[in-house]
Amino acid sequence: EAGVAQSPRYKIIEKRQSVAFWCNPISGHATLYWYQQILGQGPKLLIQFQNNGVVDDSQLPKDRFSAERLKGVDSTLKIQPAKLEDSAVYLCASSVGGNSPLHFGNGTRLTVT
Amino acid sequence: RKEVEQDPGPFNVPEGATVAFNCTYSNSASQSFFWYRQDCRKEPKLLMSVYSSGNEDGRFTAQLNRASQYISLLIRDSKLSDSATYLCVVNMGGNQFYFGTGTSLTVIP
Repeated sequence: EAGVAQSPRYKIIEKRQSVAFWCNPISGHATLYWYQQILGQGPKLLIQFQNNGVVDDSQLPKDRFSAERLKGVDSTLKIQPAKLEDSAVYLCASSVGGNSPLHFGNGTRLTVT
Repeated sequence: RKEVEQDPGPFNVPEGATVAFNCTYSNSASQSFFWYRQDCRKEPKLLMSVYSSGNEDGRFTAQLNRASQYISLLIRDSKLSDSATYLCVVNMGGNQFYFGTGTSLTVIP
């Protein structure tokens, strides 16, 4: 079974620029998550999708972050404009639901200079 | 109060030692519980699910105490390769997963 795919692995941008991340979940996983992980902290949920609908985006900074999952499969997360404090690893995860665990992609490490 | 709380450590233990991590959660209606392992600059990987009856996988034992709202992870006979950050993860319903900050473990030769 293929795992969660993410790209790019690394991205360096200047503040005020925009950036986009892509995620393809495990086939058949209806629930998709984007997490932000700052060094030394646990992952923080940014947005949760169930198929192509948003379940929870309460912690997404909507003035600069946006995410979509138009066909209920892959997803993109965008930051525009980026700030220095957005430097973090952005993790995508998926789950089949119920009491099943999360499966993570290998993340995108973003550095904003 | 945070949804999931862990002692961040660090825990530095010699090879062969037994070490235990605890984690508390705020929502008594939480449905499922997990321990993940995260190596430096890597993504979290599932170590084990935690069941009400407790469960064991080799040197690792996980326990759940719903009355006191905590879960634990016990590692026996620590190996150098066990050095990592251990994340407590709780599904609080609606497939909403909350993470602890992680507990750092270093096993020393």
